[in-house]
Amino acid sequence: EVQLVQSGGGLVKPGGSLRLSCAASGFNFNIYSMNWVRQPPGKGLEWISSISTTSRYIYYTDSVKGRFTVSRDNAKNSLYLQMTSLEVDDTAVYYCARLLVGATVDAWGQGTVVTVSS
Amino acid sequence: QSALTQPASLSGSLGQSITVSCAGTPRDVGAYDYVSWYQQHPGKVPKLIIYDVSKRPSGVSDRFSGSKFGITASLTISGLQAEDEADYYCSSYTSSYTQVFGGGTKVTVL
Repeated sequence: EVQLVQSGGGLVKPGGSLRLSCAASGFNFNIYSMNWVRQPPGKGLEWISSISTTSRYIYYTDSVKGRFTVSRDNAKNSLYLQMTSLEVDDTAVYYCARLLVGATVDAWGQGTVVTVSS
Repeated sequence: QSALTQPASLSGSLGQSITVSCAGTPRDVGAYDYVSWYQQHPGKVPKLIIYDVSKRPSGVSDRFSGSKFGITASLTISGLQAEDEADYYCSSYTSSYTQVFGGGTKVTVL
């Protein structure tokens, strides 16, 4: 069974940092690109970052460029999102997700809540 | 990186059909046959229901179908059932090698 188990969310003050983790199991993690997607409270889904299988290709949405860093450790079957200079507007449920060709997401983590508030 | 455009809400009676539209641009929906649709019930994780414009993952009801014409994709739900009441999001691959979602459509079953 494909599983993506997330950890690392929480409450942080504006300007603070958090690191999200996503542990994959039940599939060959090495051959899938991965995504981070977030959903602010009461709002829609927003793609924020993608990383290719070997980390050669990495992309970010404009609003997080320079503040967020995506990475992966294929030996540990894990995906990470390092978030710095956090802003109130970064408050959301963050999902890690498995990508198929053409940016189709066919598996999602359970979501982790990030709240940025003073 | 503007979101794809979806109607905020739609409603239909039990057994009816409804169609959710998803308008993009020539740089996303219009450029590739890589449109996907996701269903999300309140408090739940999104679920893939359509990919590559019109393909259904295993286990998804054939009451869900997808299509695309130009820069607009559509999701049709036939024979509406109570459990179809949910939020629906379209998504597309883009010419910048990224992904973009629609704003979401809340479907209400009357």
